[in-house]
Amino acid sequence: KAGVTQTPRYLIKTRGQQVTLSCSPISGHRSVSWYQQTPGQGLQFLFEYFSETQRNKGNFPGRFSGRQFSNSRSEMNVSTLELGDSALYLCASSSIGTFVGETQYFGPGTRLLVL
Amino acid sequence: KNEVEQSPQNLTAQEGEFITINCSYSVGISALHWLQQHPGGGIVSLFMLSSGKKKHGRLIATINIQEKHSSLHITASHPRDSAVYICAVHPNTGNQFYFGTGTSLTVIP
Repeated sequence: KAGVTQTPRYLIKTRGQQVTLSCSPISGHRSVSWYQQTPGQGLQFLFEYFSETQRNKGNFPGRFSGRQFSNSRSEMNVSTLELGDSALYLCASSSIGTFVGETQYFGPGTRLLVL
Repeated sequence: KNEVEQSPQNLTAQEGEFITINCSYSVGISALHWLQQHPGGGIVSLFMLSSGKKKHGRLIATINIQEKHSSLHITASHPRDSAVYICAVHPNTGNQFYFGTGTSLTVIP
């Protein structure tokens, strides 16, 4: 089976722009979670989608949003980019969800730089 | 306030040594995860624990729910074990996921 894929792998944006990141889960997985990793804050949970519905959400402002399509692919959008949004954005997939006690599989991440 | 604390932050070991990384947390949890992150960013989920002990190859993870503490042990360490090891917990209440700041392990040949 192919692993979790994320596109693009690298991205440079300027303040005020918006960005959309994509995550394709392992075939058959219905849960996709998104995480932000920065040197200062470490890893932080953004949200989890399951069967096209946001099921869990971390403590991020409304500028961070996501969605999931019927084929389980997920997108994450950040509007009005700030310098502090520069980070590695990781997605992870699992069959039914890590919050119900299942191992998740991580993608390679998208490295976003905001100038 | 950090819900999850890891120690040590950095660890250097000689190949073959027995390694222990500790994780303490302050909230009631439903599960604890150990993750491994190699340079370049890729993360692998090593273990998920809610009680007791799990073993996979040279890696052993234990958890003591009463003491709110978990340990990750690596026996016969190898340079390919060099990575950042991250502890993460699911609290009992609320749908969140708290991460430790990681332990950076370097194993020298």
